[in-house]
Amino acid sequence: DAGVTQSPTHLIKTRGQQVTLRCSPKSGHDTVSWYQQALGQGPQFIFQYYEEEERQRGNFPDRFSGHQFPNYSSELNVNALLLGDSALYLCASSPGTANSPLHFGNGTRLTVT
Amino acid sequence: QKEVEQDPGPLSVPEGAIVSLNCTYSNSAFQYFMWYRQYSRKGPELLMYTYSSGNKEDGRFTAQVDKSSKYISLFIRDSQPSDSATYLCAMRATQGGSEKLVFGKGMKLTVNP
Repeated sequence: DAGVTQSPTHLIKTRGQQVTLRCSPKSGHDTVSWYQQALGQGPQFIFQYYEEEERQRGNFPDRFSGHQFPNYSSELNVNALLLGDSALYLCASSPGTANSPLHFGNGTRLTVT
Repeated sequence: QKEVEQDPGPLSVPEGAIVSLNCTYSNSAFQYFMWYRQYSRKGPELLMYTYSSGNKEDGRFTAQVDKSSKYISLFIRDSQPSDSATYLCAMRATQGGSEKLVFGKGMKLTVNP
């Protein structure tokens, strides 16, 4: 049973560029959340998708956007990249049942130069 | 004041030691408490998931929650070199099924053989 899978594993972009990160949730999970983890910090909540809609959003600018597809997979898009966007981007999935623990993927390491 | 405070360490102990990791929080709405373990270059892995105040034991791991003091702990008995990782506390308020997690900064633990 595959867990949460993310692609790519590493990415290097230049300031001002745009990036798309991808996530496939664990089998049986329909809710996907995205987190940003800067070096030496805990993950910070970006947003959550359920039934193809953004259900909740953290304190991130509109440059961060997302999408969820009918098969529950998800994308995170970041426009106009800044050096400060360099981080590990984590996708987490859970079943739609309220108060279920999250299962994380291994993340995409984004470096902005 | 940050919602969740965690001593970032690092912490270095000899093999076999008892390890105590702690977090405090300020938001009394938090109802669900988790401990995640994160190995280098990997995503967080769920270790313990608790709701009520008191202790929960799983093998060498014990999670303790004191809601009156807004304080949670993770104890690791008979620590092993394979326990060397970063440990993240996380918590969540019940918000209509939304599952945003708030994390501590993480404590880096090294268990020396």
